[in-house]
Amino acid sequence: QVQLVQSGAEVKKPGASVKISCKASGYTFTSYHIHWVRQAPGQGLEWMGIINPSGGSTSYGQKFQDRVSMTTDTSTSTVYMELSSLRYDDTAVYYCARGVRVSWYVYWGQGALVTVSS
Amino acid sequence: QSVLTQPPSVSGAPGQRVTISCTGSGSNIGAGYDVHWYQQLPGTAPKLLIYANTNRPSGVPDRFSGSKSGTSASLAITGLQAEDEADYYCQSYDSSLNALFGGGTKLTVL
Repeated sequence: QVQLVQSGAEVKKPGASVKISCKASGYTFTSYHIHWVRQAPGQGLEWMGIINPSGGSTSYGQKFQDRVSMTTDTSTSTVYMELSSLRYDDTAVYYCARGVRVSWYVYWGQGALVTVSS
Repeated sequence: QSVLTQPPSVSGAPGQRVTISCTGSGSNIGAGYDVHWYQQLPGTAPKLLIYANTNRPSGVPDRFSGSKSGTSASLAITGLQAEDEADYYCQSYDSSLNALFGGGTKLTVL
């Protein structure tokens, strides 16, 4: 069965970086893109960007363009999302989701809570 | 402020029908991009309810249905049940192929 398993919760100080992993299993890793979506406490869903594990091409949302980096390790079927220059309003649950370039999301990771606090 | 506009809340009594709207523009829904709907229970990842405007994944009850017209889409829930109480989100794309989500609608079952 398809699974996306994310790394655990993180607490970071303002200005720091965080790197979250999303390990895929149950399907051919390079056949689907991975999207990243975040949700601040009590707020809605916000798309951050996408990576194609086949080749590593990325596309980032304009809001995150300068601070986000998505990478992939095909040897471990893992995608990483790194967000730098963290601010208090980056406190959120970060989800990875499987899809294609333009798609809906059937499979989601369990979410990783990132708390930015001094 | 989300590009796709949803009502913040809707409510209905058990057994009733409710609809949730998702209003976009000519650069997203109106440009022909499909609309998808998700249900999110507290503390859990979103669950796909409707994909490509009108299609239900296997396992989703036929009480849930979707439609799209012009620059808007709607999710309808008939025979409302207590377990339907959740947050609902629409999703589409813009011309830059950025995914867009609505701001979310909280459904309360009275």
